[in-house]
Amino acid sequence: QAALTQPSSLSAPPGASASLTCTLRSGISVASYRIYWYQQKPGSPPLFLLRYKSDSDYLKGSGVPSRFSASKDYSANAGILLISGLQSEDEADYYCMTWDTSAWVFGGGTKVTVL
Amino acid sequence: EVQLLESGGNLVQPGGSLRLSCAASGFSISVYAMTWVRQPPGKGLEWVSDINGGDDSTNYAESVRGRFTMSRDTSKNTLDLQMNSLRAEDTAVYYCVKGLDFGRWGGWGYWGRGTLVTVAS
Repeated sequence: QAALTQPSSLSAPPGASASLTCTLRSGISVASYRIYWYQQKPGSPPLFLLRYKSDSDYLKGSGVPSRFSASKDYSANAGILLISGLQSEDEADYYCMTWDTSAWVFGGGTKVTVL
Repeated sequence: EVQLLESGGNLVQPGGSLRLSCAASGFSISVYAMTWVRQPPGKGLEWVSDINGGDDSTNYAESVRGRFTMSRDTSKNTLDLQMNSLRAEDTAVYYCVKGLDFGRWGGWGYWGRGTLVTVAS
């Protein structure tokens, strides 16, 4: 079972809100983990967006717009990246990451399309 | 301004070796945790190895342990990845990434542009 599971794609119109999920495998609780979020556009390296464990353990990357935020869904055992007011420039792949047991692990990524 | 410039990527035959280097500027690599992350063409991200800030303790992904060695040269402010016994599945763009904090537990922040390693005969 993969440590982190992300939906492969998500589409939404400009101006909408997009909620990207990153579900942790059974046996580990999202409450105990920092979840990292990265954005990657074609031909470019990933860009650090956010690090989130709780509202008191929260770090946003330099220059990341305020429309990007993070939270957790404890009932779903998932980290959440929320993009409010989607813009065309938000079209990209989004990856989550955390430390599991003895390795840094990434989710498979979600491709966000702004229709 | 933080900059990371990877080099050393090339075409290499299975079983061969390659040494990647990452030249850092704008900060001291001896202080920060650093990591290598790779991305096979058209696929997702895979963590490879990291080195802690302040000491030289290293961690490796199971897929590369015993074949890859990560080190840093503080006099040159460079990070190296020695890759031996290369396999086709090691084909990827290799990114050098700066830690968010001094220790590895802070996670990973600024990424270089990457260097392509192709393992094929």
